[in-house]
Amino acid sequence: AQSVAQPEDQVNVAEGNPLTVKCTYSVSGNPYLFWYVQYPNRGLQFLLKYITGDNLVKGSYGFEAEFNKSQTSFHLKKPSALVSDSALYFCAVRDSGAGSYQLTFGKGTKLSVIP
Amino acid sequence: DAGVTQSPTHLIKTRGQQVTLRCSPKSGHDTVSWYQQALGQGPQFIFQYYEEEERQRGNFPDRFSGHQFPNYSSELNVNALLLGDSALYLCASSPPRAYEQYFGPGTRLTVT
Repeated sequence: AQSVAQPEDQVNVAEGNPLTVKCTYSVSGNPYLFWYVQYPNRGLQFLLKYITGDNLVKGSYGFEAEFNKSQTSFHLKKPSALVSDSALYFCAVRDSGAGSYQLTFGKGTKLSVIP
Repeated sequence: DAGVTQSPTHLIKTRGQQVTLRCSPKSGHDTVSWYQQALGQGPQFIFQYYEEEERQRGNFPDRFSGHQFPNYSSELNVNALLLGDSALYLCASSPPRAYEQYFGPGTRLTVT
C-alpha cells in the first residue's frame, strides 16, 4: 500500500522569508510525486511533479521541490513567501509500476504567510 | 479554454437516496478520476476511467459506481446514501500520456 505523510498540520512564515512544507512517502516501487494547492472552496491546482531525472523540480508560482530517495521525502520550498501563498498544500504519490494509477494524498498542510 | 467542470455545485440528499454527479474533462483530456474529500482531509481516490472502462478502483464499496461516455465526460453514482458520504467530490482529468491530473471545483454533497 502507498501512503503520504505531511507531519505539519500548519506552517506559519513571515512574508519574504523562505518556506518549506514537508512530505514523506511510501510506495513499493519507484514514486511519481506531486504537489497541489487548494484555496478555500476551490478544487486542487497542480504545482509541480517529480517523475524521473533531476532531483530538484521547479513548478508554478516560484515553487520548487526536492526529491530525496534515501529519506523518501519530497519537500516543497519557495525562496520568498508571499501573502497570496497562504492556502492548503497537498503532497501526493503514485507508484510507477504498470497498472498503478491511484494517486494517494496526504492530509494537507495549511500554510499561513504573515504580512 | 474551459477547465474541468462539475455539476451540480452543491447537493443535499436524504439518507438512503441515490445521487449522480457529473464531470466534463478539460478539452483534449481522455482520463477521468474521482475523489472524495472529507472535511479536513486529503482527497481519497474512488476510481479512474479510461476508454470508458474503470481502470482502477480505490477502497470504496460497490455503492459507488461510475461511467465514462464516448466524449470522455463521466458520472459518479452513489446508492443508498449514508451520512458519512457527506463530502466534497472532486473530478480530475488528464491528457494522454500525462502524469499530472487537473481538478474541477468539486460538488459538495450533504446527506441528512
